[in-house]
Amino acid sequence: GAVVSQHPSWVICKSGTSVKIECRSLDFQATTMFWYRQFPKQSLMLMATSNEGSKATYEQGVEKDKFLINHASLTLSTLTVTSAHPEDSSFYICSVRAGTGQETQYFGPGTRLLVL
Amino acid sequence: AQSVTQPDIHITVSEGASLELRCNYSYGATPYLFWYVQSPGQGLQLLLKYFSGDTLVQGIKGFEAEFKRSQSSFNLRKPSVHWSDAAEYFCAVGAGIRTYKYIFGTGTRLKVLA
Repeated sequence: GAVVSQHPSWVICKSGTSVKIECRSLDFQATTMFWYRQFPKQSLMLMATSNEGSKATYEQGVEKDKFLINHASLTLSTLTVTSAHPEDSSFYICSVRAGTGQETQYFGPGTRLLVL
Repeated sequence: AQSVTQPDIHITVSEGASLELRCNYSYGATPYLFWYVQSPGQGLQLLLKYFSGDTLVQGIKGFEAEFKRSQSSFNLRKPSVHWSDAAEYFCAVGAGIRTYKYIFGTGTRLKVLA
């Protein structure tokens, strides 16, 4: 399977600041990446689909101005949580779709965000 | 609309016992089905997947799952559980052709007794 990394693995920030999370596909080129958030003891909620070279597609209820996604290359997508607030504290996980026509997603290790 | 149900929120088994985790889906066509495992504070690891063909799928770590169209189920099984299998297990269905999105179940937390 594909190897996916995320950086940072955890971050603590003050309310009102912005935080950038990176998702890298280490061993293949990913045209599509996904961003999820997961609250404690809950399932994963898809936030957006990140497409290389084009605008991300956000799920209903997800604020695109709040969660900025950039997929500038085939190996890197970034999620920026702008003006973070305590309610944005969560576990953010990215995944990559394994190649053209492949349905399988491979997940990164996640980034835990705590906003004080 | 597509949906995935994992009826068991928690399951506790003794080490060495057999395991079955249930997953039911609602989908209009032949689904793509997946099982993932998540250890605490970690991302998800793919255990196995079903796209087509043989309805009994073998995965990693000794897991297998069986697709039963008539029951809309994709239950995960392991004949003998190890303490290291304690984790959260998620069933997912591919949400549609070319959307590539997943719909996840709510997860089943497995506890293994020594």
